[in-house]
Amino acid sequence: SQTIHQWPATLVQPVGSPLSLECTVEGTSNPNLYWYRQAAGRGLQLLFYSVGIGQISSEVPQNLSASRPQDRQFILSSKKLLLSDSGFYLCAWTRDRGESGELFFGEGSRLTVL
Amino acid sequence: AQSVSQHNHHVILSEAASLELGCNYSYGGTVNLFWYVQYPGQHLQLLLKYFSGDPLVKGIKGFEAEFIKSKFSFNLRKPSVQWSDTAEYFCAVIPYSSASKIIFGSGTRLSIRP
Repeated sequence: SQTIHQWPATLVQPVGSPLSLECTVEGTSNPNLYWYRQAAGRGLQLLFYSVGIGQISSEVPQNLSASRPQDRQFILSSKKLLLSDSGFYLCAWTRDRGESGELFFGEGSRLTVL
Repeated sequence: AQSVSQHNHHVILSEAASLELGCNYSYGGTVNLFWYVQYPGQHLQLLLKYFSGDPLVKGIKGFEAEFIKSKFSFNLRKPSVQWSDTAEYFCAVIPYSSASKIIFGSGTRLSIRP
C-alpha cells in the first residue's frame, strides 16, 4: 500500500533562519506531488506542485521554494524565514497523474517562526 | 483572479436539519470538481467527485453534490445531518486548462448541535 511521510512534524525557527521540510511517498511511482499551506479561514493554499523529477510549478510568489530531487521526494525550503511563513504545511500526492483528483495527505508540519 | 469560493465560513445546524454548502468556481471550460472533508484531528479525505455525466453525484455518508454548469457551482447537500458530520468541508477544482493543479476553497466549518 502507499504511504506518505512528512517531517518534521513541528518546527520552531527564528526569523531569517533556513527551512527544509521533507516529504516522501512509498509504494507508488511517478506520483504528482503537492505542497499546501493550511490556515484557519483560508483553506488550503496551493504553494507548489510537481509532475516529475525536477519539474516544479509555483503558484504564489513567496519566500519559499520547492525541489524534487527524486521521483518520490518533495522538499519545501526557504533561505530566510519570515514571520509570515508560520503555518501548517501539508504534502500530498495523487496517483494516475492527478486525473482522479484524489489527494492523499501527509501528517503535516507546523512551522512557527519567532 | 481565477478561484474557488465558499461563501459560508461557519454553518451551525441542529441534528436532522438539511444541509447545503455552497461552492462556486471561476474557471472557464471543463473542470473536475471535488468535495473533501476534514474531521477534527484527522486528515482531509475525499467525500465525492464529479468528472462528467450525471451532474448529481453521490458520495460517502449520505452526501451528494450537484454540478450546475451555468452557475459555475457545485453545492454539497445532505438531507438530514448528524452530530458526527461536524467537520470542515472543502470544495476543490482541477481546471482542465491547468491539469494536475488542484485548487481548494477556503472551507466551511460545520457545527452540529446534538
